[in-house]
Amino acid sequence: KAGVTQTPRYLIKTRGQQVTLSCSPISGHRSVSWYQQTPGQGLQFLFEYFSETQRNKGNFPGRFSGRQFSNSRSEMNVSTLELGDSALYLCASSFRASGRIDEQFFGPGTRLTVL
Amino acid sequence: QKEVEQNSGPLSVPEGAIASLNCTYSDRGSQSFFWYRQYSGKSPELIMFIYSNGDKEDGRFTAQLNKASQYVSLLIRDSQPSDSATYLCAGDTGFQKLVFGTGTRLLVSP
Repeated sequence: KAGVTQTPRYLIKTRGQQVTLSCSPISGHRSVSWYQQTPGQGLQFLFEYFSETQRNKGNFPGRFSGRQFSNSRSEMNVSTLELGDSALYLCASSFRASGRIDEQFFGPGTRLTVL
Repeated sequence: QKEVEQNSGPLSVPEGAIASLNCTYSDRGSQSFFWYRQYSGKSPELIMFIYSNGDKEDGRFTAQLNKASQYVSLLIRDSQPSDSATYLCAGDTGFQKLVFGTGTRLLVSP
């Protein structure tokens, strides 16, 4: 079974631009979560989507947004990029909608550099 | 205070020894806990999860959870140099929102 895929793998942007990152979950997985990883803050939760609905959101400004399509693929968008947005953006997919345990499997990430 | 705390390390152990990685959490609402391994330049890889008090074993790995003390640990038996990585502890606060610690760097020397 193919794992979580993310595109692009690397991206260089300048301040003020916007960026869109894409994530394709493991086949059959319906939940997609996004995380930001930086050396200073570690891994931080951005948001989670299930059946095209955002169910949970982390403490990030409104410049960070996302969506999920009917095939469970997800995109996240960052507008008006700032230098501090430079990070590894990770997508994770999981299978069950509810229940006590839902293992999340991470994709390889998109390395975003803002100049 | 961070919701999930880990000692950043590095934790150095010789090959063949037991590595003990610890994590404390502050949110009593977290019901399940996950251990991930992350090699430098790679994404986190799930090792195992635990949600009941006590021990859970999977091969060379044993996770321990003590909800009264809000403490989670991961033991790695017969440590190998290939186990050298950063180990991330995470608590699930609901709807797939994982709150991660900053990770403990483990170094296993041959």
